[in-house]
Amino acid sequence: NAGVTQTPKFRVLKTGQSMTLLCAQDMNHEYMYWYRQDPGMGLRLIHYSVGEGTTAKGEVPDGYNVSRLKKQNFLLGLESAAPSQTSVYFCASSYWAGNTDTQYFGPGTRLTVL
Amino acid sequence: EDQVTQSPEALRLQEGESSSLNCSYTVSGLRGLFWYRQDPGKGPEFLFTLYSAGEEKEKERLKATLTKKESFLHITAPKPEDSATYLCAVQAGETSGSRLTFGEGTQLTVNP
Repeated sequence: NAGVTQTPKFRVLKTGQSMTLLCAQDMNHEYMYWYRQDPGMGLRLIHYSVGEGTTAKGEVPDGYNVSRLKKQNFLLGLESAAPSQTSVYFCASSYWAGNTDTQYFGPGTRLTVL
Repeated sequence: EDQVTQSPEALRLQEGESSSLNCSYTVSGLRGLFWYRQDPGKGPEFLFTLYSAGEEKEKERLKATLTKKESFLHITAPKPEDSATYLCAVQAGETSGSRLTFGEGTQLTVNP
């Protein structure tokens, strides 16, 4: 049981390049999330999904797109990377337990945009 | 708008020196308050969920408490392996899959 995994772990892009970050979970969780973590800003929600085929915007969605074609995978895309997108990206997944859903996080992807 | 403020930003303790971390929050309709631990270069690791004022939860040397305005994470007789950043987050709203609003964290260092 690997939990939440993220690919790649590190990436360096040039401004204007595109890339896709992959998140996979093997816990059969319904909900998945993408966050970014920046110094002094804490964790901020980019996009999330409440089920296969559905996505929704979070707090900071501009410049990112997502897709949830399979329940276990959640993809985060950057179509034209900018230096402001240099950050550490975390994926999380959760299940509804009657009152709340506890989010479990992956190990992160450190992205640098030059 | 939901807000979470953690204090202090950083805390240095000697091994065995007990202390508390604070998480104050403003939220409409709290469903849960979460504590996570984050080690350098890793993702947040879930510790506790608190649901209502007066609730307490314990895990080894950690004890989390909740009031209507704040939560405390008490660390009793800490060890160097307790060194990490501790994150607090709140979840509000009626629907499932609701977002978490995080504080900026408290960086704890425990010296041997």
